[in-house]
Amino acid sequence: QVQLVESGGGVVQPGGSLRLSCAASGFIFSDYGMHWVRQAPGKGLEWVAFIGLDENDRYYGDSVKGRFTISRENSKNKVSLQMNSLRVEDTALYYCAKDFFVGPGEQESWGQGTLVSVSS
Amino acid sequence: EVVLTQSPGTLSLSPGERATLSCRASQSVSSSHLVWYQQRPGQAPRLLIYGASSRAPGIPDRFSGSGSGTDFSLTISRLEPEDFAVYYCQQYHSAPLTFGGGTQVELK
Repeated sequence: QVQLVESGGGVVQPGGSLRLSCAASGFIFSDYGMHWVRQAPGKGLEWVAFIGLDENDRYYGDSVKGRFTISRENSKNKVSLQMNSLRVEDTALYYCAKDFFVGPGEQESWGQGTLVSVSS
Repeated sequence: EVVLTQSPGTLSLSPGERATLSCRASQSVSSSHLVWYQQRPGQAPRLLIYGASSRAPGIPDRFSGSGSGTDFSLTISRLEPEDFAVYYCQQYHSAPLTFGGGTQVELK
């Protein structure tokens, strides 16, 4: 079955950087688009980024555009999120999610999330 | 950006009752590109409905979705204890993808 395991979260100061990773298994990774979605403590869901089969096919939420970069390594079944110029408001649980197909579309399967805390 | 407004914010109901949740879009959204998720406390979201009205695999038939254009709804015909959760609509008609603010269905 589909398994998505996020890692790389932690505590970082404002202005700092962090790189999240998501290890995927249970499906043909190279055939599916992938998303990152976040959830601030006690708040709703916010879609962050998407990458299609081609690295040229990438989309970002307005609040992270220009600061975050999504990438994928099909040989390692991994999707990553490079987060630069972090702000206090980036504090959240970050979920990796598999698209229903090529995408961008619905997020069919989700990991359990990795926590990012931006604080001085 | 397409803004999705969900109402009510909180719905207080008892097991066995019917729940009707609303999702209104700031501009017309293809019904093919409107989905609903369920999030139980402490858990990751789960895809519930795709294409506005199709149930995802394994979702009980007490869940149904409908709507078109700017007005969509999710109905739970008879609430079971495990249905008390937060429900989110999402559109992928245009980027950036957006979620509604969520409706919490709580035990009355």
